Amino acid sequence: AQSVTQLGSHVSVSEGALVLLRCNYSSSVPPYLFWYVQYPNQGLQLLLKYTSAATLVKGINGFEAEFKKSETSFHLTKPSAHMSDAAEYFCAVSESGGYNKLIFGAGTRLAVHP
Amino acid sequence: GAVVSQHPSWVICKSGTSVKIECRSLDFQATTMFWYRQFPKQSLMLMATSNEGSKATYEQGVEKDKFLINHASLTLSTLTVTSAHPEDSSFYICSARDTGTPVYGYTFGSGTRLTVV
Repeated sequence: AQSVTQLGSHVSVSEGALVLLRCNYSSSVPPYLFWYVQYPNQGLQLLLKYTSAATLVKGINGFEAEFKKSETSFHLTKPSAHMSDAAEYFCAVSESGGYNKLIFGAGTRLAVHP
Repeated sequence: GAVVSQHPSWVICKSGTSVKIECRSLDFQATTMFWYRQFPKQSLMLMATSNEGSKATYEQGVEKDKFLINHASLTLSTLTVTSAHPEDSSFYICSARDTGTPVYGYTFGSGTRLTVV
């Protein structure tokens, strides 16, 4: 079975600092990986996705993530944090076969301080 | 881009009553939709996978008789919480897979906050 582990339930950075949100996955087959952002009382917005093409994936709002098979990781980064980046971030893996449902990590709450 | 509309955004109901939540794909056909439940400050828990024209597939531990899912058309799936109780209070989110997107296009609704009093 596939699974996702997000290291760090809370991450706090200063405005303008590097954002690094960690995600490790477990999968017996090549995975499809996603990062979503959720603002309070809202649904999820896709930041970026890895679908076996380029290992460095660029997303919206300046975010990017690198797929590293050897480390089974898909960490999310942004060079310079903005106050508006404060939100909950979820890493997810697509289960192969069947209905391709998404398996989510526990989430990481990002706080950005002035 | 693909848009999923979810209604209502919030609802308060009395214990013992039923509540229906709608999930619509506005500009694409969704043969598969997913229903998630999210408790405060927690991750999304998949409840069921809904397929147009067939019975939903429920995850282990989810009561199919309490959470009725209907996917009668390619653009609409509904979740009905029957005989709701306070413990059913939660944030419910639907997701639709755009089969027209080359690879794994999932779009989420804005969620429904259900409060049972």
